[in-house]
Amino acid sequence: DVKVTQSSRYLVKRTGEKVFLECVQDMDHENMFWYRQDPGLGLRLIYFSYDVKMKEKGDIPEGYSVSREKKERFSLILESASTNQTSMYLCASSISTGTLLREPQHFGDGTRLSIL
Amino acid sequence: AQKVTQAQTEISVVEKEDVTLDCVYETRDTTYYLFWYKQPPSGELVFLIRRNSFDEQNEISGRYSWNFQKSTSSFNFTITASQVVDSAVYFCALSGPNAGKSTFGDGTTLTVKP
Repeated sequence: DVKVTQSSRYLVKRTGEKVFLECVQDMDHENMFWYRQDPGLGLRLIYFSYDVKMKEKGDIPEGYSVSREKKERFSLILESASTNQTSMYLCASSISTGTLLREPQHFGDGTRLSIL
Repeated sequence: AQKVTQAQTEISVVEKEDVTLDCVYETRDTTYYLFWYKQPPSGELVFLIRRNSFDEQNEISGRYSWNFQKSTSSFNFTITASQVVDSAVYFCALSGPNAGKSTFGDGTTLTVKP
């Protein structure tokens, strides 16, 4: 089975801190994604990556950046954390099928991030 | 632009009742894929089913069934004889060409009471 592992289940940080959320997948998937999940807003895509060192902005990239130095690892970075970034963050990966995402995504357990 | 609407924010049923979760989508593409995911209280989204736009055949898997109708742009999910373990948030998602990503609905929270 595919395993997507997020480094922390719960994280508490302070406003202005630089925050790193790490995600590792073990199935050699090309595609990786970062979402945030907020009540009533569903899943919103922050960034995604279809290859090492490649990244694409999702629907809400402001205030975030990402890094993909190795195929199995996709990091989400909050450059200067703010209280409105308190949320559940979900990482996912999938097999590459070109620009049409035919294969399902495999998700991690999520990181519940609180910014105080 | 793609859009997925799950109009039912929350549904509450009593165990053994049947329940249908609605999913309506919008796309201009002729080739696309639809997905359903389940998110139990533990948090991890789990893939349930995938359908491509050329396959309108309905599917049944145990107590779960899916009804895909292109004419109404709907991909509804029915749970027969619901159980407490079915309590979760359910997401419908749409993938089209040239996007490299999926569009998710806002999710429907299903509570099954004993």
